Amino acid sequence: AQSVTQLDSHVSVSEGTPVLLRCNYSSSYSPSLFWYVQHPNKGLQLLLKYTSAATLVKGINGFEAEFKKSETSFHLTKPSAHMSDAAEYFCVVSADMNYGGSQGNLIFGKGTKLSVKP
Amino acid sequence: SQTIHQWPATLVQPVGSPLSLECTVEGTSNPNLYWYRQAAGRGLQLLFYSVGIGQISSEVPQNLSASRPQDRQFILSSKKLLLSDSGFYLCAWSIGRQNTEAFFGQGTRLTVV
Repeated sequence: AQSVTQLDSHVSVSEGTPVLLRCNYSSSYSPSLFWYVQHPNKGLQLLLKYTSAATLVKGINGFEAEFKKSETSFHLTKPSAHMSDAAEYFCVVSADMNYGGSQGNLIFGKGTKLSVKP
Repeated sequence: SQTIHQWPATLVQPVGSPLSLECTVEGTSNPNLYWYRQAAGRGLQLLFYSVGIGQISSEVPQNLSASRPQDRQFILSSKKLLLSDSGFYLCAWSIGRQNTEAFFGQGTRLTVV
């Protein structure tokens, strides 16, 4: 079965410092992995996705993530945090239809709230 | 380009009243459609998904139901709301293929009082 674990429920950084949001996944096959961002009372916006091409994936707003199969990780990073990055971030793995996943279903982590201090 | 519309944005309903939330997608055909619920501090829970008109799969037993009367329309309903139905409801769509991302509406904040 597939699962995803976001290791930190809350991360706080100062503006201009690096951001690291950690995610580990479990999958019985080669998954697709995604990061979404959600601002308060808004829908989820796709930041980036990994679909078995390059292991270093660049997304919007300066974010990137690296797929490391040996570590089953897909951590999200940004070199320099901006105040507008304050939001909740979700790591997501695609479900495997052959293992009970619904067609096109995504499995969400519980989210990491990022706070950015001035 | 594809867009997804979800309404209303906020809703306050008394216990025992009915519910109807609507979601429509534009710019694509035969999308997979989803309803998620997001409760405070609990992440996203998939409630229903649909791969075609009239085809609804329920992921969890609950007080809610879903319908897909048209290809790009997805409706979440309840006959009698419970306090526990409060939450943030998100509609989403994806193309009908595995390992693809979903695109989300702006959500509906439902408060049952």
